[in-house]
Amino acid sequence: QVQLVQSGAEVRKPGSSVKVSCKASGGTFNLYAFNWVRQAPGQGLEWMGGIIPVSHTQSYALKFQGRVTITADESTSTVSMELTYLRSEDTAIYYCALVPENRYFSYMDVWGEGTTVAVSS
Amino acid sequence: DIQMTQSPSSLSASVGDNVTITCRASQVISDYLAWYQQRPGRVPKLLIYAASTLQSGVPSRFSGSGSGTDFTLTIRSLQPEDVATYYCQKYNSVPLIFGGGTKVDIK
Repeated sequence: QVQLVQSGAEVRKPGSSVKVSCKASGGTFNLYAFNWVRQAPGQGLEWMGGIIPVSHTQSYALKFQGRVTITADESTSTVSMELTYLRSEDTAIYYCALVPENRYFSYMDVWGEGTTVAVSS
Repeated sequence: DIQMTQSPSSLSASVGDNVTITCRASQVISDYLAWYQQRPGRVPKLLIYAASTLQSGVPSRFSGSGSGTDFTLTIRSLQPEDVATYYCQKYNSVPLIFGGGTKVDIK
């Protein structure tokens, strides 16, 4: 069974950036796609974007375009999400989630444990 | 973008009750619909995909139905461990959109 292990909690100031990583183990990295989903405190789930590692094809939600970059490193089976120009509204738990096929527009059957990002001056 | 509307937003039921949650898409999405369970303080967990296919390991008291724009998640004989927020998610195309969630608790 694939497991996703995310990097630890981060605290950032407004205007700065954050990079969250997600390492996959127990499966064949290039068979999957990965999405990033965030959840603000007390709120629902929000898709940010996804990547297909084998082709490095990415797709981003319109809301985050220009501020988010998702990358994949096949040599370490790691997917990363960088969010720039942080504001307080970006305070949330950020999840990476695996899609069991080579397309990001699908359901997600394995989730990382989440990384809390707090944005505060 | 397609909107995903869940109802009710919350419900309270007794142990052993049957519970139904609905999810409506603003456009036809065929059966590209998944359901997730998120227990308090926990990571979302996939329950159902393709509108009605039960994910491996998920108890059979959970079932999904629907196609097109209207979908339902049914919990047959509600158990204490089913206290959670349930989300639908459409995935026929990007952007992936989640419903607003339905919070289920025990009376």
